[in-house]
Amino acid sequence: DIQMTQSPSSLSASVGDRVTITCRASQSITKYLNWYQQKPGRAPKLLIFGVSTLQTGVPSRFSGSGSGTDFTLTISSLHPEDFATYFCQQSHSAPFNFGQGTKVDIK
Amino acid sequence: EVQLVESGGGLVQPGGPLRLSCAASGFTFSKYYMHWVRQAPGEGLVWLSRISSDGNSTNYADSVKGRFTISRDNSKNTLYLQMNSLRAEDTAVYYCARDQGYCLGSGCYSEDYFDYWGQGALVTVSS
Repeated sequence: DIQMTQSPSSLSASVGDRVTITCRASQSITKYLNWYQQKPGRAPKLLIFGVSTLQTGVPSRFSGSGSGTDFTLTISSLHPEDFATYFCQQSHSAPFNFGQGTKVDIK
Repeated sequence: EVQLVESGGGLVQPGGPLRLSCAASGFTFSKYYMHWVRQAPGEGLVWLSRISSDGNSTNYADSVKGRFTISRDNSKNTLYLQMNSLRAEDTAVYYCARDQGYCLGSGCYSEDYFDYWGQGALVTVSS
């Protein structure tokens, strides 16, 4: 099975900050990396698929990069509605594991 | 508008069964792979199972293999998760999710990431 590890587990930031979250796969997953945002009490929302393709309707302040085993999600300028938990997920092979999540809260 | 609505959650005793349903609307259900994902209280997301668009192919996480069964009824636009031999550690919110897959003339295919999610169904396993 492919294990996904995110860092950090949590971070505190202010509105306007640039935020970067990293995700590492235990083996190469080439381009099969996706990102979700989840707010408390809500279902996850797909943000980015295939490393860097923004899902329809996702603001351009979100971006993704990486390949192989190392990936990043960047929020270029944090908005109030971006305070949430972010999960990476690999779609290379079953089981389609998620990272443990990164909680972004208000400094 | 795509909608996924789970039902069937609740309190169940350890060792007991429970069946979750996920009613789909707003899209051609029979053309999409579907998945179940769960989230224990305060924890992360765990992928559980996938079923092909025609229901003929299934995959499971090791943690539920042999205990849970995914199925679908394309005539009713409904996805199911039959859960048997439930354990305390199965306590979680269970989400159904649509695979952002695609169809070609030769068939329908999965992308194995999830573009629409239900609201979740809480399953509590406790005596």
